[in-house]
Amino acid sequence: DAKTTQPTSMDCAEGRAANLPCNHSTISGNEYVYWYRQIHSQGPQYIIHGLKNNETNEMASLIITEDRKSSTLILPHATLRDTAVYYCIVRARNYGGSQGNLIFGKGTKLSVKP
Amino acid sequence: DAGVTQSPTHLIKTRGQQVTLRCSPKSGHDTVSWYQQALGQGPQFIFQYYEEEERQRGNFPDRFSGHQFPNYSSELNVNALLLGDSALYLCASSLRQGSYGYTFGSGTRLTVV
Repeated sequence: DAKTTQPTSMDCAEGRAANLPCNHSTISGNEYVYWYRQIHSQGPQYIIHGLKNNETNEMASLIITEDRKSSTLILPHATLRDTAVYYCIVRARNYGGSQGNLIFGKGTKLSVKP
Repeated sequence: DAGVTQSPTHLIKTRGQQVTLRCSPKSGHDTVSWYQQALGQGPQFIFQYYEEEERQRGNFPDRFSGHQFPNYSSELNVNALLLGDSALYLCASSLRQGSYGYTFGSGTRLTVV
């Protein structure tokens, strides 16, 4: 089962910031928080990941609370093309550094409106 | 730089038949994972291949099998198809040793009738 809880759906006005919350209260010390999104009829797309520090890249920012029990993905200036299902996933690095599989929940359906 | 390529894009099969789906990973990636995504659900992990061996497996029956070739490409085989196997099958590639995310293909839409 997925270890995260996300709202089922959210709306955002075009040009405004979209803030997508995720609860992961049982996260372990060696687990990362990953965000993916899936635009209709496409495969999931990696957005960003972090362990305990806030992270930013060209797509988004990830804010992780100090206790690491929740996080927020921020799309600073949402466009219509950001309409998608957003998945928050926690995943451990296996011993030796290899990547474990991803466990997806149902995600948050973000609708960006004109 | 080509991403993950999957073929075919769509497929219709009859219940009881067998199907083979193919995946070419992103250049430089050595690990391939397969996921099944039913309508309205998140993707579910089937298995992962590295160095031509199955390394991890999700909760799927033995009817689901796979293979990885020396060039890192992979196949997913499903035998004795059931109506419930109708789904989008996604292939994802990654580097075994790395913290970066997976790169997914656009998937194969399998319909079992």
